[in-house]
Amino acid sequence: QVQLVESGGGLVKPGGSLRLSCAASGFIFSDFYMIWIRQAPGKGLEWVSYINGGGGDIYYADSLKGRFTISRDNAKNSLFLQMNSLRDEDTAVYYCARVGSTWFINYWGQGTLVTVSS
Amino acid sequence: QSALTQPASVSGSPGQSITISCTGTSSDVGGYKYVSWYQQHPGKAPKLMIYDVSNRPSGVSNRFSGSKSGNTASLTISGLQAEDEADYYCYSYTSSSTVVFGTGTTVTVL
Repeated sequence: QVQLVESGGGLVKPGGSLRLSCAASGFIFSDFYMIWIRQAPGKGLEWVSYINGGGGDIYYADSLKGRFTISRDNAKNSLFLQMNSLRDEDTAVYYCARVGSTWFINYWGQGTLVTVSS
Repeated sequence: QSALTQPASVSGSPGQSITISCTGTSSDVGGYKYVSWYQQHPGKAPKLMIYDVSNRPSGVSNRFSGSKSGNTASLTISGLQAEDEADYYCYSYTSSSTVVFGTGTTVTVL
């Protein structure tokens, strides 16, 4: 069965960096677009970034202003999110998810909490 | 990349039907059949309930249905049950090759 397991979250000071990882299993990883979505405490869902199966088609939410970088290692069935210059407002649960053929999201990880605070 | 507009809350009694709207523009909801809906219970990851405007994934109750008219998509829950109490989000692909979520709706079963 499809499994997505995020890791790498934690407490970081403003201006710091963090790298999130997502280990995928149960499907042919390289065949699918993958996406990062976040949810600030008590707030709604916000799309962060997505990447296609080959890694050459990448988009980011405008609000990130170049601070985040998405990547993937198909040989290791892994998705990554490098987050730099972190701000208080980046505090959220970050979900890794698999994108279906017509952009719906049919599988989600359990989420990893990132807390940006001094 | 403005969020799609949903009502903050909708409520209904058990057995009733409720409808959640999701309003976008011709660049997102109105321009594509790629609208989906997600249910989220507190502390849990979201769950896909409807995709491609009106399709239900296997395992999702047929009490959930979706539709679209112009720039507004809708999710209808019929025969409301206590377990339907949750947050619901719409989501759409956009003409900028990005995706966007709705603002979210809290459903309360009275």
